Amino acid sequence: QKEVEQNSGPLSVPEGAIASLNCTYSDRGSQSFFWYRQYSGKSPELIMFIYSNGDKEDGRFTAQLNKASQYVSLLIRDSQPSDSATYLCAVMNSGYSTLTFGKGTMLLVSP
Amino acid sequence: SQTIHQWPATLVQPVGSPLSLECTVEGTSNPNLYWYRQAAGRGLQLLFYSVGIGQISSEVPQNLSASRPQDRQFILSSKKLLLSDSGFYLCAWSVGQNNEKLFFGSGTQLSVL
Repeated sequence: QKEVEQNSGPLSVPEGAIASLNCTYSDRGSQSFFWYRQYSGKSPELIMFIYSNGDKEDGRFTAQLNKASQYVSLLIRDSQPSDSATYLCAVMNSGYSTLTFGKGTMLLVSP
Repeated sequence: SQTIHQWPATLVQPVGSPLSLECTVEGTSNPNLYWYRQAAGRGLQLLFYSVGIGQISSEVPQNLSASRPQDRQFILSSKKLLLSDSGFYLCAWSVGQNNEKLFFGSGTQLSVL
């Protein structure tokens, strides 16, 4: 069974700090990786995707991928209270059929 | 631009009653469509996906069913709801070279009492 694991949190960081969210996956053949942000009571929103090993930056967000270690992370620089949400890691299963989601990590950014 | 519509936003149903949730997509043709459920403490669970009219794949055996009567319409149904069917139901469509990027509708919060 393909699994995506995340620490449920909450991860608490002060405003302006760097938040680091981590995710591991079991399907070694996975090629595409995604981070979704979900505010309470709302639907998930795609914020980052990464396909190759290394870092990918988009504004305050950086996604990091290490396929050898089967590890994906999301860094949020200069964290803001509006970043407080649950962050879901998702992995495209080998064979390019469907996404498997982790249960999410709750991030709390305090002013 | 593409948009996805899902309704109703909230629904309270008694055990044993039927269910019908509808989702429509605008601004694209022949999209891959998905139904997910998010229950407390369980994360997002893929229920059904469809690559075309009348083509439905089921990921989890349960008392739910899905249909795709038109290209951009996806319906989730049940003949008799169970307490365990409570949850946040999300319709989604996908884009990308391998249809890997999912975009979700606003969701339906279903409470079965």
